[in-house]
Amino acid sequence: NAGVTQTPKFQVLKTGQSMTLQCAQDMNHEYMSWYRQDPGMGLRLIHYSVGAGITDQGEVPNGYNVSRSTTEDFPLRLLSAAPSQTSVYFCASSSVRDRTLPYGYTFGSGTRLTVV
Amino acid sequence: AQSVTQPDIHITVSEGASLELRCNYSYGATPYLFWYVQSPGQGLQLLLKYFSGDTLVQGIKGFEAEFKRSQSSFNLRKPSVHWSDAAEYFCAVAPYNNNDMRFGAGTRLTVKP
Repeated sequence: NAGVTQTPKFQVLKTGQSMTLQCAQDMNHEYMSWYRQDPGMGLRLIHYSVGAGITDQGEVPNGYNVSRSTTEDFPLRLLSAAPSQTSVYFCASSSVRDRTLPYGYTFGSGTRLTVV
Repeated sequence: AQSVTQPDIHITVSEGASLELRCNYSYGATPYLFWYVQSPGQGLQLLLKYFSGDTLVQGIKGFEAEFKRSQSSFNLRKPSVHWSDAAEYFCAVAPYNNNDMRFGAGTRLTVKP
């Protein structure tokens, strides 16, 4: 029962560097999303995907790219890291087979990113 | 777009006391509502959810929440708090397609011995 797996757990980047945060789920969930969590602001949606090949923007997409080539994986790319992207990042997944019944999300344990 | 407000940033209760965490939402249609709990250094765990039917919903760990449409509220309650309940609690709202869940800023719960 792996659920949602995020790697790495911690990362320090220099301003301008690029990196990819990995997210994988083994529950065959169609829906996957990325959130960032900042103190006093709750979780804010960055990007989401409702299936392989389909992605869309959330509340705070600038500076981030995503792609969904398989059902299992949903990586988040930072093309040129900035100090404002220092945050804790969470990946989440959910089943949307029955659109009349919203399911709660299953969250990964998070990636703590510091940009210096 | 939908939004969620959790008016209390931090609440302290004594162990064994009752608890109520407030949540107000703004949404044009019938909302789907959730409560999540986050322990330090962990991801979020679903406590309970509401989407139709009985307005009082039961969740895990002895929590319950009541949906009040007239007040646009979905408050979380527990009759007797345990020290292990110390955590941060998030209320969330989602549209029917589940694609854009919005979270409140969270309420941090401290439990005094």
